[in-house]
Amino acid sequence: DAGVIQSPRHEVTEMGQEVTLRCKPISGHNSLFWYRQTMMRGLELLIYFNNNVPIDDSGMPEDRFSAKMPNASFSTLKIQPSEPRDSAVYFCASSLIAGGTDTQYFGPGTRLTVL
Amino acid sequence: GEDVEQSLFLSVREGDSSVINCTYTDSSSTYLYWYKQEPGAGLQLLTYIFSNMDMKQDQRLTVLLNKKDKHLSLRIADTQTGDSAIYFCAESRLGGSQGNLIFGKGTKLSVKP
Repeated sequence: DAGVIQSPRHEVTEMGQEVTLRCKPISGHNSLFWYRQTMMRGLELLIYFNNNVPIDDSGMPEDRFSAKMPNASFSTLKIQPSEPRDSAVYFCASSLIAGGTDTQYFGPGTRLTVL
Repeated sequence: GEDVEQSLFLSVREGDSSVINCTYTDSSSTYLYWYKQEPGAGLQLLTYIFSNMDMKQDQRLTVLLNKKDKHLSLRIADTQTGDSAIYFCAESRLGGSQGNLIFGKGTKLSVKP
C-alpha cells in the first residue's frame, strides 16, 4: 500500500486566497483525521470522519476552515480566505476502527505558507 | 488537567539509553501509543501498549505503563544518531470506539555523537 497520500506537499499563497489540501487515506480504512502542527501549539486535531461522516469538528479554528469527505478514498480541507496565522504543516491520518487498536497512519503533510 | 504531558527536550550521548516520559489523563484509555517524527516527515507509529499490560519490549524499545500513576515511558537502548527525532505519546481517550487519539506536544530527542 502507498500509505496516506497528501497533496500538495508544499503550498505558498497570499493572504486572502483560497487553499485546498487533499488527502487519500489508506484503502480499507474507515476513519480519517486532519491535524495542524505548529511550533507554538504542537499537534492539533481539526476534524475527523468515521465512514465519511464528520464526527467531531470542534478543533476547526473558525468558519474559514471546512472539510469534506465525499467518498471513502478522498478528503479535502479548505481554507477560505487564508491568513498568515494559518501557516503550519497540515497532516492527514487514517485508521481502521474495528474493535482493536485505533492506530493512526499519517501522511507526509502539507507545509502551508500564507504570505 | 486534560492534557497529555511530556517534557519538551531530552539530550543523550550515542550509545546511552534514552527514557522519554509521558503522563496521560484518562484511566479508561485502552491503548497508549508512541509515535516518532523525523524532520520534514509525518508521524510514524513506533509501538503501542494495551492498558492491561505493564511492559512491552520490541528490540531496542521498551514501553513501561503504570496505570495507577497514569505514567507511560519509552526507553530506547543503545541510542543512535538516527534516533534523533520528536517522540509523541498518545492516548486513546474514547477507548478505541471512534479512533480519536490525544497527543502530547512531543519530546525532541537529540543524540550527540
